[in-house]
Amino acid sequence: DTGVSQDPRHKITKRGQNVTFRCDPISEHNRLYWYRQTLGQGPEFLTYFQNEAQLEKSRLLSDRFSAERPKGSFSTLEIQRTEQGDSAMYLCASSSPGQGDPYIETQYFGPGTRLLVL
Amino acid sequence: LAKTTQPISMDSYEGQEVNITCSHNNIATNDYITWYQQFPSQGPRFIIQGYKTKVTNEVASLFIPADRKSSTLSLPRVSLSDTAVYYCLVGDRGGYNKLIFGAGTRLAVHP
Repeated sequence: DTGVSQDPRHKITKRGQNVTFRCDPISEHNRLYWYRQTLGQGPEFLTYFQNEAQLEKSRLLSDRFSAERPKGSFSTLEIQRTEQGDSAMYLCASSSPGQGDPYIETQYFGPGTRLLVL
Repeated sequence: LAKTTQPISMDSYEGQEVNITCSHNNIATNDYITWYQQFPSQGPRFIIQGYKTKVTNEVASLFIPADRKSSTLSLPRVSLSDTAVYYCLVGDRGGYNKLIFGAGTRLAVHP
């Protein structure tokens, strides 16, 4: 399977615990995005990486959240001291502007990690 | 980025053609349109995208009029498995895109 993969697919944790999610983008994609989706809503942008550089962070990404993309390959999203309000689906997407028309970007999403904070 | 407006929900029956129209009145010259499909507990799945006129692939067609202030996703002969949420988004050519999703259109296909 050459699509975007995410691990784990499901995570249940207790309030106050730390959790880490992993995203493996499509191999030739240099752009990587994290989104969060709560029930009944569309995904919301969290952060963007171009290669290993984190170029934008949403104000939704509080100081309890940190994301990394070492070596410009896979990415991790860590949530420290989880709160019940962090319960959501965390989605990763990757893209490369060079595919097809070089001026149009297509983001491909992974299956998501569903987090439940008790 | 231009805001999009689309119907909250639609109903159809198997075998029918479904057209979902999205309004993006403030679309900029460099913007293009992308549609995603999402099933419960899955990530959004790319369907189609375009800049102007008509685009067709193996699953859908995208019609964009000359003024580009709206676009229509056409799904031919839908089946029960097409029941999903469909999102219309506008992106900026040349730049990276933090996609801004609305609530989408919930399509229900009935037997």
